[in-house]
Amino acid sequence: QITLKESGPALVKPTQTLTLTCTFSGFSLNTGGVGVGWIRQPPGKALEWLALIYWDDDHRHSPSLDSRLTVTKDTSKNQVVLTMTNMGPVDTGTYYCVHQNIESSGPFDYWGLGTLVTVSS
Amino acid sequence: DIQMTQSPSTLSASIGDRVTITCRASQSISSWLAWYQQRPGKAPNLLIYKASGLQSGVPSRFSGSGSGTEFTLTISGLQPDDCATYYCQQYDSYPYTFGQGTKLEIK
Repeated sequence: QITLKESGPALVKPTQTLTLTCTFSGFSLNTGGVGVGWIRQPPGKALEWLALIYWDDDHRHSPSLDSRLTVTKDTSKNQVVLTMTNMGPVDTGTYYCVHQNIESSGPFDYWGLGTLVTVSS
Repeated sequence: DIQMTQSPSTLSASIGDRVTITCRASQSISSWLAWYQQRPGKAPNLLIYKASGLQSGVPSRFSGSGSGTEFTLTISGLQPDDCATYYCQQYDSYPYTFGQGTKLEIK
């Protein structure tokens, strides 16, 4: 059974760096085709894809946020960490961690419950 | 970036109705399209993958069709549980992009 869980601060101040951790189980990021990604959703708005990291350490980032995002993986801990610098109020929203397997059609088939991040001084 | 445009933005229908939501891509994405359902306060849930594949555990009243730039999600026999916002998403090329969502209300 695949599960993912996001953890991190609920409140960050403007200009600070956000660090979120996705801890997963039921699969390995050493398995070919597997990726873990991040998606966010501002309150009342649509979903926005942020980043993906794959089993082979390939990274993909949203171009609009590329300079602010870093995604790393720790396969021994079954964790993926998202770092976003220079946070602002527009970055407020729910951040989701997702599973993808590009060798089985490739949508985001498992999602974490999400974690709400508020950017405010 | 590939733009995904959904219509309508909101939809009101009665129990038992057949409902169709459309998603258009700004360029061809072959069949690399997914549909998600998001109930209020919950994480999205995958319904359809590769345009027409029904995700395991999803009721058969949900179906998807289309290829290229035009896609539809159909709910045959609307149930109270289907009150949610529905999103399409292309995964043909990076950056992956979502539609703006279609909010489905039950009359």
